[in-house]
Amino acid sequence: AQSVTQPDIHITVSEGASLELRCNYSYGATPYLFWYVQSPGQGLQLLLKYFSGDTLVQGIKGFEAEFKRSQSSFNLRKPSVHWSDAAEYFCAVGAINFNKFYFGSGTKLNVKP
Amino acid sequence: ETGVTQSPTHLIKTRGQQVTLRCSSQSGHNTVSWYQQALGQGPQFIFQYYREEENGRGNFPPRFSGLQFPNYSSELNVNALELDDSALYLCASSSGPPGDTQYFGPGTRLTVL
Repeated sequence: AQSVTQPDIHITVSEGASLELRCNYSYGATPYLFWYVQSPGQGLQLLLKYFSGDTLVQGIKGFEAEFKRSQSSFNLRKPSVHWSDAAEYFCAVGAINFNKFYFGSGTKLNVKP
Repeated sequence: ETGVTQSPTHLIKTRGQQVTLRCSSQSGHNTVSWYQQALGQGPQFIFQYYREEENGRGNFPPRFSGLQFPNYSSELNVNALELDDSALYLCASSSGPPGDTQYFGPGTRLTVL
C-alpha cells in the first residue's frame, strides 16, 4: 500500500540555522515525490519535485531535497532558515500517471528569532 | 491568468444534509483533483477528473461524488453528511494528461454539526 510518513509533527529551529524535514514513503513502483508548503490561510504551494535523474533536487525559496532509494526517504533541507519559512510542510508521492496522490501528515515548522 | 478559486469559503451544515462545493480551475487546466484535509492532518485524495471523466479515486465512500464541466470547473458533492466530514476541502488543477504539478485553491472549510 502506498503511504507517506513524516515522523516529526513539530520542529522548532532558530532563524539562520539549518533545517531538515524527514519523509519516508512506501510505494510499489518508482515514486514521484513532492514537497509542498502550506501557510495559514494559503493554499498548498509546490516547493520541489523528483521524478528521476539527479537525486538532489533544487526547489524554490532555497529548499532542496535528496532522494535515497535505499532508505525510501526524500528529506527536505534548507541551509539557513528565515522567519518567513514558518509554515506546515507536506511530503507527497504521486502515482505513475498522476491520477492519485498520497500526502504525509505534515510537519509544522516554527522559527525562533 | 487567474489561479484556482473555490466557493464558498466557509460552510456550516448539519448531519444528514447534502453539500456541494465548487472549484474553478486555473486557466488552461483540464484536470481537477479534490482533497479532504482534516484538522492536523495531511490532504487525503478523494478523486480526480480529467476531461469530464473520473480518472482516479481514493478511499472515500460513494456518497462523495463529483462532476467536471466542459469549462473544466468542478463540483464536489457529499451526501448524508457525517460529523467526520468536517474538514478543509481542497481543489487542485493541473494541465493534462494529468500532470505532476498541481495548483491548489485556498479551500472550503466545511463544518458539520
